[in-house]
Amino acid sequence: DAKTTQPNSMESNEEEPVHLPCNHSTISGTDYIHWYRQLPSQGPEYVIHGLTSNVNNRMASLAIAEDRKSSTLILHRATLRDAAVYYCILFQGAQKLVFGQGTRLTINP
Amino acid sequence: EAGVVQSPRYKIIEKKQPVAFWCNPISGHNTLYWYLQNLGQGPELLIRYENEEAVDDSQLPKDRFSAERLKGVDSTLKIQPAELGDSAVYLCASSFGTSSLNEQFFGPGTRLTVL
Repeated sequence: DAKTTQPNSMESNEEEPVHLPCNHSTISGTDYIHWYRQLPSQGPEYVIHGLTSNVNNRMASLAIAEDRKSSTLILHRATLRDAAVYYCILFQGAQKLVFGQGTRLTINP
Repeated sequence: EAGVVQSPRYKIIEKKQPVAFWCNPISGHNTLYWYLQNLGQGPELLIRYENEEAVDDSQLPKDRFSAERLKGVDSTLKIQPAELGDSAVYLCASSFGTSSLNEQFFGPGTRLTVL
């Protein structure tokens, strides 16, 4: 399973943008980059995914480096409800999601 | 649309007792997953079903864990007998297919405490 590296924790302020980094230097050409987040006492929820191009959806944006060895999840305007553990996962479809320890994001009011 | 439903939400048992967890996936999702999440860790896959067939059970401790997905819809995960180290959250997830584009939808989990 290809590995990802994320900071253990990050802190930001409400209504400010948050940039969550992920390194995946051993990514293969067919790996998609998926992000999930897990709010307290809930199961993980899908956030966004991408292959090569930057992606936007209603929850976040995903910026992928040109060499694909790193990516950044961007929350444009953090709210208290965005406090969660964020997981960056390399995924090839008919395989299991391999979760690391993720980044615990704290949002200050 | 209803999400993935799991029951019970919490279960406390004594060691050596049996326990079962139930999962109802999102309607139409043919792929179902059971994950185990220890405190402070990310979820780890136990078993994956495509319809009623277990296609990946390599991480399921088969001496005490068993699972079934009759008729390719609901699923049950059983532990018999439970050990202290089985205390964790058991998560069920489902997806429509297994393509790289398909997101997995997770239930709230069952928190098991073994005393």
